[in-house]
Amino acid sequence: ELKVEQNPLFLSMQEGKNYTIYCNYSTTSDRLYWYRQDPGKSLESLFVLLSNGAVKQEGRLMASLDTKARLSTLHITAAVHDLSATYFCAVDGGQGGSEKPVFGKGTKLTVNP
Amino acid sequence: DAGVIQSPRHEVTEMGQEVTLRCKPISGHNSLFWYRQTMMRGLELLIYFNNNVPIDDSGMPEDRFSAKMPNASFSTLKIQPSEPRDSAVYFCASSHRDTQYFGPGTRLTVL
Repeated sequence: ELKVEQNPLFLSMQEGKNYTIYCNYSTTSDRLYWYRQDPGKSLESLFVLLSNGAVKQEGRLMASLDTKARLSTLHITAAVHDLSATYFCAVDGGQGGSEKPVFGKGTKLTVNP
Repeated sequence: DAGVIQSPRHEVTEMGQEVTLRCKPISGHNSLFWYRQTMMRGLELLIYFNNNVPIDDSGMPEDRFSAKMPNASFSTLKIQPSEPRDSAVYFCASSHRDTQYFGPGTRLTVL
């Protein structure tokens, strides 16, 4: 059974600082997704990572995937208050996304001025 | 495009009543997913369809839950009878080229 673990689950950081959120998963997969959810809102797709070594960047966020280590990271550079949200990673089980996606519990990020 | 459309946005009902949640996916998307989100259990995939065919319903909690997708532009999730523990936000998502697009969700409260 595919398990997805995120850490930390809660992260409070100051504006201007850097930090990394980690997403580990338990079985072979080559598809990993990052989503953002604002309080009371729906989920918004941030990144889709489809191969080992994939790296994608959007603004102050950068995501990477290491399929051999079964690890993805979401790196935050020079955080700003607008990045405060809950971030989820999700993994499709199996090769080529042949099995259903499993979500981590989410990391609630609070960026303080 | 209007994105994924869900209705109703809020539903309050009494235990034992039937509840039907509706979803219109983005046109051209061939996969549709139903999720449930609660504080205790997080985000759970209930069922997903590919080209209107249910592929995996192993996340459906029990026989009280059923989902249909009669055509490419409409899906329903039905709970009958509803129970207080079904209270949650239910999201529908459709996907295209590995990216899922989530609807705004239906907040269900069962009293």
